[in-house]
Parts: sequence; structure tokens; C-alpha cells
Amino acid sequence: GIQVEQSPPDLILQEGANSTLRCNFSDSVNNLQWFHQNPWGQLINLFYIPSGTKQNGRLSATTVATERYSLLYISSSQTTDSGVYFCAVEQAGGTSYGKLTFGQGTILTVHP
Amino acid sequence: DTAVSQTPKYLVTQMGNDKSIKCEQNLGHDTMYWYKQDSKKFLKIMFSYNNKELIINETVPNRFSPKSPDKAHLNLHINSLELGDSAVYFCASSQVRVGTEAFFGQGTRLTVV
Repeated sequence: GIQVEQSPPDLILQEGANSTLRCNFSDSVNNLQWFHQNPWGQLINLFYIPSGTKQNGRLSATTVATERYSLLYISSSQTTDSGVYFCAVEQAGGTSYGKLTFGQGTILTVHP
Repeated sequence: DTAVSQTPKYLVTQMGNDKSIKCEQNLGHDTMYWYKQDSKKFLKIMFSYNNKELIINETVPNRFSPKSPDKAHLNLHINSLELGDSAVYFCASSQVRVGTEAFFGQGTRLTVV
């Protein structure tokens, strides 16, 4: 099956700093999503981005499907950005039926 | 209006008991899923149902039995609970044919003592 690797595994920032999280995947994908798991455990949808670039406030994401990676940018980080960021992909090929394979996550801690 | 809701949010039970987690989605999606998040935060799919039909079963022990009475509901029954079943269980839904994004419930933290 498809492999998903996220980097870095841990990231510690001061409030106001910028950061880039990376997701590499081993095969073609139909779907790629970024999630934020907040300290209460909720999985929040950030982006649905199988290709291209999207922006939502201080967050933006870019997926280069031909090179099999995606980047999540967080600008002017805030303490509320703390949590775990997951990349999840659906392998292309028609037999995945929406099954998402998750990376291991990046644990982000933002200090005031 | 909660899109994907699951109950209960917390479940503490003794080894050997049987328990159920319920999930409902109001997004009109045709596919629902159960994912398990272990103590290291790793998320892995367990089951998927498309229009009440089981389409993915990821070699989960047969003590776990999903049931879908209609395409808006997918429940998870767990028999003879073991300590290793302690985890957070997430329900999700998506509209697979359109290839749109999946939405997750708030999770059920199961603790087996």
C-alpha cells in the first residue's frame, strides 16, 4: 500500500514564527487532506488539496502531485495552532473507496 | 449542526464486556468509515461501508463488527473487550464517487480496564 511520511516529527515555535510541514507519499493519489488534531482530540479539516495551492487565512498548502509531496505553511503562528498535524492520502487506482492512509503526524507546540 | 456525530465521547469498561459506539452523518454522503487512533496517535482505517455495504475490512479481529442500518448511520460493536482495544475510535464519512474530502466525528475514547 501507499506510504506517507511527514516531517518534522516535532516542531517547537515561538508565537509569531512561520513554519513549513512536509508530507511525502509513495504513489499517485486521488485525494490529499491536511488535518489539525487539537488538544481536545478533534480532527479539524484544514485543506482538501490533491493538487495545486490553497490558502485559508494564515494557513496555506501546496501539493505537487507529480513529485508526490505536499507542504503546509503556517504563518504568524499562535498558541492555538498547537496540536498534531496530519497528512492523509487516498491512493489512486479505483479500489481505495475513499480509504485514507495517514502519516505519523507532526506535533506542533507554539509557546507564547 | 454537527456533520458527523458519534456517541459516546468517552467509554470506560471492564475487560470481557461488549460495547457499542454509534455514528451518524447528516452530510448525505454515501460512504462511512471507522478509524482507530492508537496511543502513539497513529490513525488507521478499520472498516468502510458504501450504501450499507461493507467494502473495506482491514484485517480487524472479528470481535469488532460494524453495522450500517442505513447510509447515514454506521455503528461499531465490540465483543469481549481486551486491554489492547483501548484507543480513540473515529467515525468519518465522504462522498466517494465525487472524490471529495472526508469529515470526521469528534472521536470516542475507549478505555478498557
